[in-house]
Amino acid sequence: KQEVTQIPAALSVPEGENLVLNCSFTDSAIYNLQWFRQDPGKGLTSLLLIQSSQREQTSGRLNASLDKSSGRSTLYIAASQPGDSATYLCAAKEEYSGGGADGLTFGKGTHLIIQP
Amino acid sequence: DAGITQSPRHKVTETGTPVTLRCHQTENHRYMYWYRQDPGHGLRLIHYSYGVKDTDKGEVSDGYSVSRSKTEDFLLTLESATSSQTSVYFCAIKGAENTEAFFGQGTRLTVV
Repeated sequence: KQEVTQIPAALSVPEGENLVLNCSFTDSAIYNLQWFRQDPGKGLTSLLLIQSSQREQTSGRLNASLDKSSGRSTLYIAASQPGDSATYLCAAKEEYSGGGADGLTFGKGTHLIIQP
Repeated sequence: DAGITQSPRHKVTETGTPVTLRCHQTENHRYMYWYRQDPGHGLRLIHYSYGVKDTDKGEVSDGYSVSRSKTEDFLLTLESATSSQTSVYFCAIKGAENTEAFFGQGTRLTVV
């Protein structure tokens, strides 16, 4: 059974710093990996999707990398801002041979606070 | 928000009563999912659908049933609500297996 772990569980940094959030998964047979942010009391907002054949994806100040062989993904946030404060979740989509589309396996998230 | 509406957004119900949550999408996406989010457990898959009338169980399906009679609607039913089903429920949609999943705003359900 796939297990996804996110470290650290919480992180507080001053504004302007570059930071890295980590995500590891136990089964490297994944289809893709997706990063989300969740604001308190809100739904999940998709940030980046990395296909298993890709090494990284970029969107603005965000860069996500994927290393299937080591079972790791990282989310890099450049020049952090107070508005980046949220919980960041990674989720792995396993390869599925049954024809249906089973769901994502989520980590428990990293709660990020950017201090003004 | 990628054309997903969950209703109701909040609900308080009594133990033993039936409850139905609705997920409506305007994207014509094939795949729809129901997750629950609980402290200490993160998000877990309850049921999913890969087409009209095509559904399957997820990790935590006991006590839940689903129906999908139209592409745009995916219903989650708690036949007899229990306090352990107090949670925040999220609906998600995807156009294809290898594409992004988009989530609704969630339904906060309290069973008293």
